[in-house]
Amino acid sequence: GDSVTQTEGPVTVSESESLIINCTYSATSIAYPNLFWYVRYPGEGLQLLLKVITAGQKGSSRGFEATYNKETTSFHLQKASVQESDSAVYYCALGDRGSFNKLTFGAGTRLAVCP
Amino acid sequence: EAAVTQSPRNKVAVTGGKVTLSCNQTNNHNNMYWYRQDTGHGLRLIHYSYGAGSTEKGDIPDGYKASRPSQENFSLILELATPSQTSVYFCASGDAGTGGYEQYFGPGTRLTVL
Repeated sequence: GDSVTQTEGPVTVSESESLIINCTYSATSIAYPNLFWYVRYPGEGLQLLLKVITAGQKGSSRGFEATYNKETTSFHLQKASVQESDSAVYYCALGDRGSFNKLTFGAGTRLAVCP
Repeated sequence: EAAVTQSPRNKVAVTGGKVTLSCNQTNNHNNMYWYRQDTGHGLRLIHYSYGAGSTEKGDIPDGYKASRPSQENFSLILELATPSQTSVYFCASGDAGTGGYEQYFGPGTRLTVL
């Protein structure tokens, strides 16, 4: 079946350090996968951070970047310099464009940024 | 203001009781979804709908029913609640017509079944 595996948390980094949260996917039943990163900040709901719907493309938002790599089936989330306000739980998700955009989520990675 | 709302936000139910979770969206999206989230798991799809009157099984539908009486409303029904259904439930809406394919989530309902 379809699945998403991401870095197991919690991940702790110091402010201004770089960050990478790994995400790999298996899309055995999806012809045209879409890839997403969602984020949940403390006390807030789940919101879209960035998306890429075409293999080979890069998405970016709020200083975060992720590239849809079809060869390695990966969609790693990166940021060059994190801030304390980036502390949150990050979810990688695989979308099925051909089936009403159903999403398959990874387990989530809790990020703590220390000042 | 919030485009996807859920009620109740918290619910305590007894084993064997009936529970209805409600979701309302003002995005005018065709598609709506119900997920549950448990520790160590991401969100898992229970049921979804592609329009008023439709409901489809997701990945973990057992023990749940869904109802989509209108474009705006999508309910999740637990006819005979069990402790294993204690979880946080999220509703979402989405529409490929926007070209984005993303989903917009409600704030969640925390359900405890005793």
